[in-house]
Amino acid sequence: EDKVVQSPLSLVVHEGDTVTLNCSYEVTNFRSLLWYKQEKKAPTFLFMLTSSGIEKKSGRLSSILDKKELFSILNITATQTGDSAVYLCAVDTNAGKSTFGDGTTLTVKP
Amino acid sequence: NAGVTQTPKFQVLKTGQSMTLQCAQDMNHEYMSWYRQDPGMGLRLIHYSVGAGITDQGEVPNGYNVSRSTTEDFPLRLLSAAPSQTSVYFCASSLGWEPSYNEQFFGPGTRLTVL
Repeated sequence: EDKVVQSPLSLVVHEGDTVTLNCSYEVTNFRSLLWYKQEKKAPTFLFMLTSSGIEKKSGRLSSILDKKELFSILNITATQTGDSAVYLCAVDTNAGKSTFGDGTTLTVKP
Repeated sequence: NAGVTQTPKFQVLKTGQSMTLQCAQDMNHEYMSWYRQDPGMGLRLIHYSVGAGITDQGEVPNGYNVSRSTTEDFPLRLLSAAPSQTSVYFCASSLGWEPSYNEQFFGPGTRLTVL
């Protein structure tokens, strides 16, 4: 059975802090790993990672994949209150299926 | 483009009733999927489709049926609603299932309560 585990489950920080969110996985026929942000509504896409060691960046967010150790991290630097959300990690397989983790709830306090 | 649309936004059913959740996309996406999200949890795949006429089961397919007669539409049918199906349902689509195409776009969700 495919499995995606995210940690921590929740995190409270203050504006300006840097956070690291973790995602580990065990799946058959890995295709890609995706990060989504969910703010009380539908998830929105952040990053897709398919190759080990190549960092993807978008502003203050960055992510990297380690296919040998089967994990990914999502970093957010200089956090803002608008970063408060649930961050979801999903792993896609060649079979056409996505398996999601339970998410990390990030709360950024002013 | 309207993107991915879902109707209704909210629905209350009684145990044993049946209904169809509608999902449509206007982006000519080949891949479509249905997820449910229970409180405090991630999304679980119910059914998916890699193109018109092709559907397959996901992680939690029991109690649900789908069909894909057109590229645009992917309805989800609840056959006989049960309280365990109370959840938020998301429909999603992507251009295809090649690695460069499988970023999924999500609809706004349907909040379903079964009494």
